Amino acid sequence: GEDVEQSLFLSVREGDSSVINCTYTDSSSTYLYWYKQEPGAGLQLLTYIFSNMDMKQDQRLTVLLNKKDKHLSLRIADTQTGDSAIYFCAERAGGYNKLIFGAGTRLAVHP
Amino acid sequence: NAGVMQNPRHLVRRRGQEARLRCSPMKGHSHVYWYRQLPEEGLKFMVYLQKENIIDESGMPKERFSAEFPKEGPSILRIQQVVRGDSAAYFCASSPLPDITYEQYFGPGTRLTVT
Repeated sequence: GEDVEQSLFLSVREGDSSVINCTYTDSSSTYLYWYKQEPGAGLQLLTYIFSNMDMKQDQRLTVLLNKKDKHLSLRIADTQTGDSAIYFCAERAGGYNKLIFGAGTRLAVHP
Repeated sequence: NAGVMQNPRHLVRRRGQEARLRCSPMKGHSHVYWYRQLPEEGLKFMVYLQKENIIDESGMPKERFSAEFPKEGPSILRIQQVVRGDSAAYFCASSPLPDITYEQYFGPGTRLTVT
């Protein structure tokens, strides 16, 4: 079946790097996404990666994909207090009609 | 270009009442998706609609829930005879004609509280 798992909490110091991990089960997934949700707000797409890629970099964000292990990670360099939010990993499944989300990783950035 | 609009942002209903949640997709988008987020959980897919058609409703509860996306006007998610377990945040997303990334743009959500 389709399932996406993430660790629930991550605490980092301001200026350090954050690494948020995700595993998924659907080997047919073609696109994998990272969304950010701030308190009381909707989801903001941060970045996505196509399944034939190993890595994608976008400014402070680096996405790594290990397709063999079905493992996805999001690295945020120089983490700032404004990065405090919940980060959701999602895979596209079901004939491309829907996204399957993980439960979200709550990132807390402290001085 | 305004983003995905949802209203109301907050909705309180008593058990047994009806809840109507509205979603206006981004201009030019003809595909709408509804997701539900229970407290402390991720988003769960409910239904995917195109104008006047339900394409995939595999995530919709079999009873009390219905969705539509008419030719004119917003998409509506309707919950009849609400129960406390329906309390959640309901998010709508839209996308244009399918493109290579199938990116979905999310609205701010409607937070439903059933008392």
